[in-house]
Amino acid sequence: AQSVSQHNHHVILSEAASLELGCNYSYGGTVNLFWYVQYPGQHLQLLLKYFSGDPLVKGIKGFEAEFIKSKFSFNLRKPSVQWSDTAEYFCAVKTDSSYKLIFGSGTRLLVRP
Amino acid sequence: DAEITQSPRHKITETGRQVTLACHQTWNHNNMFWYRQDLGHGLRLIHYSYGVQDTNKGEVSDGYSVSRSNTEDLPLTLESAASSQTSVYFCASSDGTGHGYTFGSGTRLTVV
Repeated sequence: AQSVSQHNHHVILSEAASLELGCNYSYGGTVNLFWYVQYPGQHLQLLLKYFSGDPLVKGIKGFEAEFIKSKFSFNLRKPSVQWSDTAEYFCAVKTDSSYKLIFGSGTRLLVRP
Repeated sequence: DAEITQSPRHKITETGRQVTLACHQTWNHNNMFWYRQDLGHGLRLIHYSYGVQDTNKGEVSDGYSVSRSNTEDLPLTLESAASSQTSVYFCASSDGTGHGYTFGSGTRLTVV
């Protein structure tokens, strides 16, 4: 069965620090990849997504992610985090055999002012 | 504007009771999904539907059922609520391209 792994469950950073959250998936076929953010008490919001083309994807709020097919990875990055980035981040995968979105377990990011 | 709405936002119920959570979307999406969110587990798929009269089990379907009688609604029923089903439940829908997924605001269910 397909699965998604997020290696960091909790991350604590100071403002202006750089962020990289890991995401790996297990599936040998074609995938669509997503990063979602959930701010405290809110529902999921799409940060960015990858379907094809340039493996470096830029999303909202200064986030970007790079798809590395050989590593089955889709890591999320931001050069300089802000206190308002405190949230939980989810990586998700859709395979070419289904419309289901499969989520990782999430990473809780705390940004200290 | 099209939207996806869940009701109720919060619910407290007793063990053994039947509970139904509503999900209604006006996107005219064929695909609809129910997830539960638990700390440390992310979002896990409960049931999903690819169209009217179509329903499928997800990875954590035991104790839950769904029915799809029209395009807009996918109600989730807990046949006999258990404390282990205390969770936040999210409904989602997507179009046929698989490019866009829209999530509801969630229902926080507490089983006491």
